Amino acid sequence: NAGVMQNPRHLVRRRGQEARLRCSPMKGHSHVYWYRQLPEEGLKFMVYLQKENIIDESGMPKERFSAEFPKEGPSILRIQQVVRGDSAAYFCASSPPQTSGPRYFGAGTRLSVL
Amino acid sequence: DAKTTQPTSMDCAEGRAANLPCNHSTISGNEYVYWYRQIHSQGPQYIIHGLKNNETNEMASLIITEDRKSSTLILPHATLRDTAVYYCIVRVQESQGAQKLVFGQGTRLTINP
Repeated sequence: NAGVMQNPRHLVRRRGQEARLRCSPMKGHSHVYWYRQLPEEGLKFMVYLQKENIIDESGMPKERFSAEFPKEGPSILRIQQVVRGDSAAYFCASSPPQTSGPRYFGAGTRLSVL
Repeated sequence: DAKTTQPTSMDCAEGRAANLPCNHSTISGNEYVYWYRQIHSQGPQYIIHGLKNNETNEMASLIITEDRKSSTLILPHATLRDTAVYYCIVRVQESQGAQKLVFGQGTRLTINP
């Protein structure tokens, strides 16, 4: 059973471009969480999704950021018109139904905005 | 969610037991204590969680005081690979609903050879 898979591992974008980060949860997991970690800072919750539903997006910036977890395929975190301050490590986690909180984390996507 | 307090950093000699404390004096009766760690540049790793009884698994032991106001994570035989930031989090365990975990600053544990 493969772990939580995130790709790409590293992503470089120029200011104003779009960034798409993908997360494939573990098999059988229907809950996905996204966290962001700025350099030398702690992990900050962004959004919690179940299949086709956003459950809690209280940590998402109001503009430019969106997330989805479609019925088929990976969860996508989309950042439009990236700025240098978006440079960070973005971690995805998944958990099975009936489990409280994110249990298994991916290796992360490191976004660098030039 | 109850707030936790952890030392900023700790050192431990390789092969010795590493004891990481966590204070959660405002914990309520239905809140669990979770421990995660993050090895440099990697994703966080779940270690263990408990409510009021001591817990043990293949990675660590969790000792929760009787009044539940504090707990200690024990790595029985620390290795260099245990060098990481360790996070203590308290959270209500629910089967449904928003279940985000809020990570604090954690304890930076350094295992020395």
